[in-house]
Amino acid sequence: GENVEQHPSTLSVQEGDSAVIKCTYSDSASNYFPWYKQELGKRPQLIIDIRSNVGEKKDQRIAVTLNKTAKHFSLHITETQPEDSAVYFCAASFGGGADGLTFGKGTHLIIQP
Amino acid sequence: DGGITQSPKYLFRKEGQNVTLSCEQNLNHDAMYWYRQDPGQGLRLIYYSQIVNDFQKGDIAEGYSVSREKKESFPLTVTSAQKNPTAFYLCASISSLSGNTIYFGEGSWLTVV
Repeated sequence: GENVEQHPSTLSVQEGDSAVIKCTYSDSASNYFPWYKQELGKRPQLIIDIRSNVGEKKDQRIAVTLNKTAKHFSLHITETQPEDSAVYFCAASFGGGADGLTFGKGTHLIIQP
Repeated sequence: DGGITQSPKYLFRKEGQNVTLSCEQNLNHDAMYWYRQDPGQGLRLIYYSQIVNDFQKGDIAEGYSVSREKKESFPLTVTSAQKNPTAFYLCASISSLSGNTIYFGEGSWLTVV
């Protein structure tokens, strides 16, 4: 089955700086890669996703890049703000997630004032 | 998001007891999922169902059971065979099998006492 590795487990950045979280996946058939943000005790919220026919996708301060050859994808957050502090999860699946998502273990992003 | 309702939010279970977590959605979604989340870990797939009266095991199905008698409902039973059931349980659904966004319920905290 699919295996997703996520790094780093904790990331601390100064407010206003950029943050980058990286994930690798094992199954070359995977074609859907969402990113979720989870605040303490709450459900994960989808923040951005990318499909394998696209190399990059942006939404305001958030971007995701995908390298299918290397089987890795990354989340980029620019101009970080205190409300960006949370745990971020990457995930991968085949078929758009209908068979379930395989998640990375999460990155705790801390924005230092 | 708001169309997926999990209950109860908090549940305490004694050793040897079975407990059932409820998940109801009014989004007319085809597929439904149960994930388990442990501290410092990602989400792991327990069971999923793509159609009424059919379901498949995920990565950690042992000690759990499900049913899908109605499209709207996908209850999860944590049986006494599950040796370490204390965790945060998340139900999710997706609108079609063709690859749409997966949305989560608010989650249920289960603690063994």
